[in-house]
Order: sequence, then C-alpha cells, then structure tokens
Amino acid sequence: SQQGEEDPQALSIQEGENATMNCSYKTSINNLQWYRQNSGRGLVHLILIRSNEREKHSGRLRVTLDTSKKSSSLLITASRAADTASYFCATVGGYSTLTFGKGTMLLVSP
Amino acid sequence: DAGVIQSPRHEVTEMGQEVTLRCKPISGHDYLFWYRQTMMRGLELLIYFNNNVPIDDSGMPEDRFSAKMPNASFSTLKIQPSEPRDSAVYFCASSSGDSYNEQFFGPGTRLTVL
Repeated sequence: SQQGEEDPQALSIQEGENATMNCSYKTSINNLQWYRQNSGRGLVHLILIRSNEREKHSGRLRVTLDTSKKSSSLLITASRAADTASYFCATVGGYSTLTFGKGTMLLVSP
Repeated sequence: DAGVIQSPRHEVTEMGQEVTLRCKPISGHDYLFWYRQTMMRGLELLIYFNNNVPIDDSGMPEDRFSAKMPNASFSTLKIQPSEPRDSAVYFCASSSGDSYNEQFFGPGTRLTVL
C-alpha cells in the first residue's frame, strides 16, 4: 500500500514549543502533501513537497523529505493553541491520487 | 470563492433508507473526489471524477453506493439501502490540473444510520 503512516499518533505540547510529526511510506512518490484537520471540519492543505525537493518552508511550517528513507517530517515552530488539530500526510505514487495516513493528533496547551 | 459546499451537514436516517449527499466543487476545478472518514479506517477515497467523468470507483464499497456528476458544478453520492456500518463523515474535495495536486475539502456530511 502507498498509504503513509504518521508518527506519533498523538502529541501533546505546551504553547511556544516546537512540534514534529513524521510520515513514512513504502513506495516511490510523485509528491507528498501535509494537511490539517480541525475537529469537525474538512482537511486543509498546508504544504506540498515534490520528490526532487528536500526541504520546504511556509511560515512556521518546515517540511523535509528523505526519499532514500521514504520519510517526511513536518515541524511546527513556536506552536500556538490554535495549532491544535490532526495532521495528515498524503502520498502520491506515479500520476495517481492522494492516499492519506491516519494522522497525528496534536494538542497544544496554553 | 465560497469553497467546496456540501449538504446536508448532518444526516440521521434509519437502516434501509436511501441517503443522498450533495457536493458543489470550486468553480473551475476539473477534479472531484468523494472520501469517507471513520476512526477505524481513516480517510478512504471512494471515487473521483475528471471533467464530470468517473475515473476510478474502485474505492466504492458496494453496489449500494453510487455517485454521479451531471455537470461541472454538482455531484451526488447515494447510498441505497443504507446500513449502520455506513455511518461516517463523507467529504467531497476538488482540485484542478491533475489528480495529484492540492485538494480543497468541503466541511463534510456526518451520516448516522440507526
């Protein structure tokens, strides 16, 4: 299966701390995307990193991709209570569609 | 733009009843996706359309499920007859250009089948 697996399943931190979530996958990819889902809402796209890219930044988000290890990480710096959500990685093999992992639940306490 | 619109937001029905979920994609998007999310199975792709044509329906669980896209601005997902195990949140998403680009999700329909 191309499905990515996020790690950890749940993460609890204090405001101001950094949060790191990881995603591992099994086969070669076209790109990898991270999404956020607030409770009771739809998923929101955060960032897309292509297979020939190693690192990408967007505001307080930093995504890395290591195709040799078939893994990606999402770093949220200086976290805020509003960052509390589930975070999903989605992988794309070839020219197919997205396959989502089961997500990491992040809780940021004030 | 209003984003992807789904209706209803919540649906409670009894086993055996027909359920119809509706989706309006973002104007100009040529891909439309239907997903189902449960705690056990996560987010599963049911079917997706390109230019109103179904491309891959391999994720549709059973013949009880059917989806249509009569035009570029409207799609339906129908379950007939519904069963308790169909209880889930159903999301519609749209994208443009390619099937592997960024997707824009609707708010979802929470379906409960009693």
